Amino acid sequence: KQEVTQIPAALSVPEGENLVLNCSFTDSAIYNLQWFRQDPGKGLTSLLLIQSSQREQTSGRLNASLDKSSGRSTLYIAASQPGDSATYLCAVDPGSNYKLTFGKGTLLTVNP
Amino acid sequence: DAGVTQSPTHLIKTRGQQVTLRCSPKSGHDTVSWYQQALGQGPQFIFQYYEEEERQRGNFPDRFSGHQFPNYSSELNVNALLLGDSALYLCASSLGRDKGTFGSGTRLTVV
Repeated sequence: KQEVTQIPAALSVPEGENLVLNCSFTDSAIYNLQWFRQDPGKGLTSLLLIQSSQREQTSGRLNASLDKSSGRSTLYIAASQPGDSATYLCAVDPGSNYKLTFGKGTLLTVNP
Repeated sequence: DAGVTQSPTHLIKTRGQQVTLRCSPKSGHDTVSWYQQALGQGPQFIFQYYEEEERQRGNFPDRFSGHQFPNYSSELNVNALLLGDSALYLCASSLGRDKGTFGSGTRLTVV
C-alpha cells in the first residue's frame, strides 16, 4: 500500500526566504507525482506535475524535483511572498487513471 | 471552458440522514473520481466512475455509493450519516491517464 509523508507539517518563514518542502513515498512504482496548493476551505490547485521519467519541473518561482528510486520529491519556493501562504499537498499517481494518494500536506505561513 | 463544478458548496445534515453531492466534469473529461478530505488531513480516494460504472474503490464502507450519468456528471451518496463523515468532498475529472482537474469541493457538516 502506497504511503505518502510530508515534512514538515507546518512551516513559518519571513517574506523573501527560499524554502523547501519535502515529500516521500513508499512505493517507487509511480506514473507521476503532483504538487498542489490548497487555500483554507478551498479546492486543489495543481502547481507542478512530474512524470516518472523526469527529474524536475519548474514554473515561475517554483521548482519540483523527483528521485523515484529513493521515493522522494521536493518543492522549492524561491523568494517567498505572503500570498504563498497555503497548504501544499503532494500526491502520487500509480498510473491507474488518476487515482491519487496524498500526503497530509505542509501548512506554509509567509510573514510580511 | 468551465472546469469542474460541484454542488452544493456547503450543507449541514443530521446524523442518520442521507446526502447527495453532485459533480459536473470538465468538458472533454469522461472519468470522475471522488475524494474525502477530513480537517487537517490529505484527500482520500473514495471511488472512481467511468462509462457509468464504478471502476475503482478506496477503503470506504458501502454507505458511500455513487452514480455516473450518460453526460459524465456524477453523484456521491452517503447514507446513515455519521459525525465522522463531516469533511470536504472533492471531485476530480480526467481523461485517460492525463492530469485531472479538481473542483472546489462541497463542505459537509454532520451534526
